[in-house]
Amino acid sequence: AQKVTQAQTEISVVEKEDVTLDCVYETRDTTYYLFWYKQPPSGELVFLIRRNSFDEQNEISGRYSWNFQKSTSSFNFTITASQVVDSAVYFCALRPLYNTDKLIFGTGTRLQVFP
Amino acid sequence: DTAVSQTPKYLVTQMGNDKSIKCEQNLGHDTMYWYKQDSKKFLKIMFSYNNKELIINETVPNRFSPKSPDKAHLNLHINSLELGDSAVYFCASCLGSSGNTIYFGEGSWLTVV
Repeated sequence: AQKVTQAQTEISVVEKEDVTLDCVYETRDTTYYLFWYKQPPSGELVFLIRRNSFDEQNEISGRYSWNFQKSTSSFNFTITASQVVDSAVYFCALRPLYNTDKLIFGTGTRLQVFP
Repeated sequence: DTAVSQTPKYLVTQMGNDKSIKCEQNLGHDTMYWYKQDSKKFLKIMFSYNNKELIINETVPNRFSPKSPDKAHLNLHINSLELGDSAVYFCASCLGSSGNTIYFGEGSWLTVV
């Protein structure tokens, strides 16, 4: 089965706090891709990052960082020094290379950053 | 400069009507998709097309009919709209099917009353 679990439905933090959004995935494929998308209140889906299953290096982009751990099937997303503009719903997604050509989304985590 | 654009952004219509949502991408991609986001924010694929050919039809009712006149366009026509069709419909596109990034449009908010 192919599945993505985002166990945190909603997280609230105060500005400047660090916050980690969890993502756990299931797949039998050995080659796959993982993604994070952001959906701000305006509703569009914004691509944040793509990672393939062979690249377990952590990635940092400004205040954003991602921790990919194949051993635990997790691809967690950390926002450092959160800002109000980070308030959004964040989706983790899995795209297996074989078997199916589609993104399988988690249920999303709503992040609210208060001033 | 919008990469994936869809129209209309908002659509309110009565039950039983037929409506269409248009989508165009200027990224040079050859694969396009329709995803549906329900009231609980859950995103699920409906269709995918590669070079105008239907690849995925994810058990969507026959009332939904996608049409791809060329690889830059994928329109969605919905017949006999039902209350349960109210959702946000996202068009998306990608280059090939080898795990490349899928880029989404801004969404079309459909409300059936």
